[in-house]
Amino acid sequence: SQQGEEDPQALSIQEGENATMNCSYKTSINNLQWYRQNSGRGLVHLILIRSNEREKHSGRLRVTLDTSKKSSSLLITASRAADTASYFCATDAKDAGNMLTFGGGTRLMVKP
Amino acid sequence: DTEVTQTPKHLVMGMTNKKSLKCEQHMGHRAMYWYKQKAKKPPELMFVYSYEKLSINESVPSRFSPECPNSSLLNLHLHALQPEDSALYLCASSQDEDRYYGYTFGSGTRLTVV
Repeated sequence: SQQGEEDPQALSIQEGENATMNCSYKTSINNLQWYRQNSGRGLVHLILIRSNEREKHSGRLRVTLDTSKKSSSLLITASRAADTASYFCATDAKDAGNMLTFGGGTRLMVKP
Repeated sequence: DTEVTQTPKHLVMGMTNKKSLKCEQHMGHRAMYWYKQKAKKPPELMFVYSYEKLSINESVPSRFSPECPNSSLLNLHLHALQPEDSALYLCASSQDEDRYYGYTFGSGTRLTVV
């Protein structure tokens, strides 16, 4: 089953621009995580934000979390062609045991 | 070692074959997972092992049989698969009790059932 929905499904920008991806989810969570996947390869963990945190930064990445709206956003600043990938949010839901449930993903293309 | 290693990277099998996918990690993670991913779709959870015991089975057909021989290894045994089972199979691991570090994924096995 899919916990989250991501918006937009696809995004195309020029190198140097910022990219914003949004994620909505349905249940109470322990944390929310963002992953990147290059063209059918494995997923790479980018950042984890706990339910009691509102914003987190890691390099060019900025993640926000609004638990009242059950939503999160991932901002990539000063994008590069190498950022071209699919980005997934994933929720670690409370009372759900050890399981991470992924949203539908956003396919980002950064044009050089 | 901070990796999850999956073998083989690619596998083509007939519907009557028996094959196994392997996953290995040496990070001391006590939770390991199998996910299935179809093209342009998110990964879907299949199985969760916690401390070498199966803790979650997401209603996966019995033609998929997981096995966790020890804390570093996770296998997925395949038998009598259907063409619609063709997908990328991803293994992941995490520190079981600590919910603050995310999962480490392998590169996956691209499975084609013919």
